[in-house]
Amino acid sequence: EVQLVESGGGLVQPGRSLRLSCAASGFTFDDYAMHWVRQAPGKGLEWVSGISWNSGTIGYADSVKGRFTISRDNAKNSLYLQMNSLRAEDTALYYCAKDLSIEVAGTPDYWGQGALVTVSS
Amino acid sequence: SSELTQDPAVSVALGQTVRITCQGDRLRSYYASWYQQKPGQAPVLVIHGKNSRPSGIPDRFSGSSSGNTASLTITGAQAEDEADYYCNSRDSSGNHLVFGGGTKVTVL
Repeated sequence: EVQLVESGGGLVQPGRSLRLSCAASGFTFDDYAMHWVRQAPGKGLEWVSGISWNSGTIGYADSVKGRFTISRDNAKNSLYLQMNSLRAEDTALYYCAKDLSIEVAGTPDYWGQGALVTVSS
Repeated sequence: SSELTQDPAVSVALGQTVRITCQGDRLRSYYASWYQQKPGQAPVLVIHGKNSRPSGIPDRFSGSSSGNTASLTITGAQAEDEADYYCNSRDSSGNHLVFGGGTKVTVL
């Protein structure tokens, strides 16, 4: 059974940093691309970032480019999102999602339950 | 604004058919995927590719595409199909995805 468990969310002040982690199990982690997708309270889904199976291809939404960094550790079956210079508009539930393929521009198929990030003073 | 456009809401009578659409130029080149999200839950993939359903998704869900419009059809809608539905697709750069704004489906 595929399991994705996010951690690291919380309340943070504007301008500060936070690092999300996603622990994956139930599949061969280094065979698939991975994504972070967020959802602001009461709003729709927004793709944040994706990383290919070997970290060779990485993409970011324009809204986070230059502030967020995605990475993965295949030896630890883990996905990360380093979020710097956080803004109030980054407040959201952040989902970790597995892709169907090795490609970044693929199709997220399994999703975790999300980690809540609240940016407020 | 989203580069994939969805109607904000649609309603369907129990047992009837509803079509949810997603419009965007990128859909002329790439298939859309469709996700169902119920309140308080993570999204669930219901359709991907030309018209593929993941294991466990009922066959009343189907997908199609024409020109710049992708569609998700629920044939014989059930009460449990009441949810938000999102489309998503990729762009030509190969490293970006985008989601539509979502459609709230109400089963009457």
